[in-house]
Amino acid sequence: AQSVTQLDSQVPVFEEAPVELRCNYSSSVSVYLFWYVQYPNQGLQLLLKYLSGSTLVKGINGFEAEFNKSQTSFHLRKPSVHISDTAEYFCAVSEASNSGYALNFGKGTSLLVTP
Amino acid sequence: DADVTQTPRNRITKTGKRIMLECSQTKGHDRMYWYRQDPGLGLRLIYYSFDVKDINKGEISDGYSVSRQAQAKFSLSLESAIPNQTALYFCATRAEQAADTQYFGPGTRLTVL
Repeated sequence: AQSVTQLDSQVPVFEEAPVELRCNYSSSVSVYLFWYVQYPNQGLQLLLKYLSGSTLVKGINGFEAEFNKSQTSFHLRKPSVHISDTAEYFCAVSEASNSGYALNFGKGTSLLVTP
Repeated sequence: DADVTQTPRNRITKTGKRIMLECSQTKGHDRMYWYRQDPGLGLRLIYYSFDVKDINKGEISDGYSVSRQAQAKFSLSLESAIPNQTALYFCATRAEQAADTQYFGPGTRLTVL
C-alpha cells in the first residue's frame, strides 16, 4: 500500500513570488499521481496528473509538477502566484493494487498568498 | 448541469439519527467512491463500487453503509450518527480505464450534534 506525505501543512507566500508545494509518496508498484485544489467552501478540482511519459506535467492556472521516480516525489510549482491561488492543495496517488484505483490523499497544504 | 451531484449540500442532525447522503452522476461511469474530508487529515476512502453488484469497504467504513441503486446512483448511510462523523463528504466517479481521472461532486457538509 502507498502513503502520501505533503511536507508542509501551510505555505505563506507573497503575490508574484514563486512557490513549490512538496509531495512525497511511498509505493512498491507503479503509481499515478495527481494534484487537486480546493478553493474555500468549494469542492475539489483537478490541477494536473501524471500517468506516464514526460515527467514534467503542466496543469491549469499556470501550475506544473515534476515526477521524480528516484526520489518518489511529485512537487507542484508555480513561477508567480496570484491572490486567487489561495486554497488548499492535495497531492494524491492511485495504484492498481489499491481499492480499485481509489485515490490516497495527502493531508493537504494550505497556500496563503498575500499582497 | 453538473456531472456529479450530491444531496443534501448541508445537513445538521442529532446523535443517533439515521441519515442518507445521495450521489448521482451523468457521466456513465461504472466506478463510484465515497470519501470524507476532515481538517488536517485530507480525504479518506469510505466505500467504493465497481458496479451495482460490486461494493467494497475502504479505509474507514465502520459506522457507514452504502447502496448502489443503479449505475448512476450511490448512496451513503449513517445508521446511527455520532459527532465524530461530522465532516465534509465527497462522492467521486471514474471511468473503467485504469488511469483515468476521478470526478468529484460538490460535497455534503454534515454536522452531527
